[in-house]
Amino acid sequence: QLQLQESGPGLVKPSETLSLTCTVSGGSISTNFYYWGWIRQAPGKGLECIGNIFYSGATYYSPSLRGRVSMSVDTSTNQFSLTLASVTAADTAVYFCARHHKNSFYDSWGQGTLVTVSS
Amino acid sequence: QSVLTQPPSVSAAPGQKVTISCSGSSSDIGNNYVSWYQQVPGTAAKLLIYENTRRPSGVPDRFSASKSGTSATLGITGLQTGDEADYYCGAWDSSVSAWMFGGGTKLTVL
Repeated sequence: QLQLQESGPGLVKPSETLSLTCTVSGGSISTNFYYWGWIRQAPGKGLECIGNIFYSGATYYSPSLRGRVSMSVDTSTNQFSLTLASVTAADTAVYFCARHHKNSFYDSWGQGTLVTVSS
Repeated sequence: QSVLTQPPSVSAAPGQKVTISCSGSSSDIGNNYVSWYQQVPGTAAKLLIYENTRRPSGVPDRFSASKSGTSATLGITGLQTGDEADYYCGAWDSSVSAWMFGGGTKLTVL
């Protein structure tokens, strides 16, 4: 049974960098069939895809966040990570990590972690 | 701002049928697979439909979906109070090389 678990600070100051890690268990991150993604949901709002990363390091990011977002993958620890620079209150959200099938759907999600941007 | 347009809310009585639409363009729905997700507030989303019409194992056949041109539709029959949730469509947008979710539809079972 695949499991994904987000971890990282729950509070980040404005203008600083948000960093989260997703630990994958019950399956290898080094698979040709899946990307690994980050999705967020601001309070009371809908789902927003931040981007996905392949185990080789190939990435694609949301157009609205390009320039501030970066993702990386560590196959030795079965983890992938998200960094989002220059955060503002608008980046306050629950951040989910998820597995993204290459045929374009998210089939397994972490429980999500709330990140609040506040001084 | 979502490029996939969904109605903000739909409602129906228990036992009835409801449909949720998702409207896009040739760069997303028109030329890529659509998937659908169910999210109970405060929890992670759950995959309901993938590759336009296919149901993962464990999803009841009360849930179905279709796609025509640049639009897709999710249908739920035999509504139950447990179906109350937010529903999202999603598709790849080839014009910006990014994945997109619809704005979400809140289902109320009256």
